[in-house]
Amino acid sequence: EAGVTQSPTHLIKTRGQQATLRCSPISGHTSVYWYQQALGLGLQFLLWYDEGEERNRGNFPPRFSGRQFPNYSSELNVNALELEDSALYLCASSSSTLYGYTFGSGTRLTVV
Amino acid sequence: GNSVTQMEGPVTLSEEAFLTINCTYTATGYPSLFWYVQYPGEGLQLLLKATKADDKGSNKGFEATYRKETTSFHLEKGSVQVSDSAVYFCASRDSNYQLIWGAGTKLIIKP
Repeated sequence: EAGVTQSPTHLIKTRGQQATLRCSPISGHTSVYWYQQALGLGLQFLLWYDEGEERNRGNFPPRFSGRQFPNYSSELNVNALELEDSALYLCASSSSTLYGYTFGSGTRLTVV
Repeated sequence: GNSVTQMEGPVTLSEEAFLTINCTYTATGYPSLFWYVQYPGEGLQLLLKATKADDKGSNKGFEATYRKETTSFHLEKGSVQVSDSAVYFCASRDSNYQLIWGAGTKLIIKP
């Protein structure tokens, strides 16, 4: 069974540009979660999508947005990039019957 | 609301030492509890879980017991290895199936 896949693995952008990160959940999982992990430690919750709808949002500005497609894959968009957006962005998927999440390996975003 | 508190790191131990990483939670009711591990350069992996009081989760020599009296889920291992060096996250599941995360504890094992 394929795990959660994220692309690209690494992304380098210039301040002010837009970044698009992608996530494919495990087959059968309808929920996708996005997290930002800066400085290699704490997880900051960004967004939760389930069945194509945004269910919850963390304390991030509106320039962080996303969507979930009919096949349950998801996209995270970050507009007007700032230097402090440099971080590892992790995607996780789950189903309502599953205890816990399955994570992808992340996208390392570097803003220069 | 629900919250998870885990001990600050980094925790530095010598190989074969005994490990304890403390985790306590606040929640309404009895949430499922988890420990995840993140090895350098990777995403998080589920290490173990417990779904009800007095359950013991175990995996790869790690154990954690769900203690409702002390609202704790401490992670333990009897003899750590250099390969256990990683960041460990404690989490609880809320009624909406979302995971509430601790801040993470970096573990460094020296040979």
